[in-house]
Amino acid sequence: DGGITQSPKYLFRKEGQNVTLSCEQNLNHDAMYWYRQDPGQGLRLIYYSQIVNDFQKGDIAEGYSVSREKKESFPLTVTSAQKNPTAFYLCASSIMAGATDTQYFGPGTRLTVL
Amino acid sequence: QKEVEQDPGPLSVPEGAIVSLNCTYSNSAFQYFMWYRQYSRKGPELLMYTYSSGNKEDGRFTAQVDKSSKYISLFIRDSQPSDSATYLCAMSRGGADGLTFGKGTHLIIQP
Repeated sequence: DGGITQSPKYLFRKEGQNVTLSCEQNLNHDAMYWYRQDPGQGLRLIYYSQIVNDFQKGDIAEGYSVSREKKESFPLTVTSAQKNPTAFYLCASSIMAGATDTQYFGPGTRLTVL
Repeated sequence: QKEVEQDPGPLSVPEGAIVSLNCTYSNSAFQYFMWYRQYSRKGPELLMYTYSSGNKEDGRFTAQVDKSSKYISLFIRDSQPSDSATYLCAMSRGGADGLTFGKGTHLIIQP
């Protein structure tokens, strides 16, 4: 089955801790994205990557970091510098950045800071 | 003015009704338009994709783009309770800019 997987589904973090959210895709897509979704806010872009070993900041990158060492994987680290990290995090991928830009989403990770 | 405006709802209609969901936008460079459906606590799934102006039909769903008015619509015919979800519009200029999303409309189909 081709698709995008995110783990874990639910994640709890204590204040001051860094946590890493996993995103894997087997669609052979070049581009991958991380979004944050808050109630009433829609989707906001955190980071995106068009090719391996390259990534760009989105609209709300502060307090987050990413890596793209493999085409299939784009993990997101939520650092202690992120002031309000409780949210629903969505990973997406597209065939390539450009052309249609149609993005396909994973099931999401709900992060709660205790 | 936000780039993409979408009424958050909730929009509540009886089963079997025709539903109309809409987005307006300000950037005339947008040329790719999408509708996503998102069930509670799930990731969005792509419903419809349209390039430039015109209509596109897929089963009970019709997407309409009017670039002259900067207005896009999604129509759902014979609505079902399983259509109850949040519907997100998204659009792009193409290239590496990615998608700009509306905030989503929460739709409730009453049995």
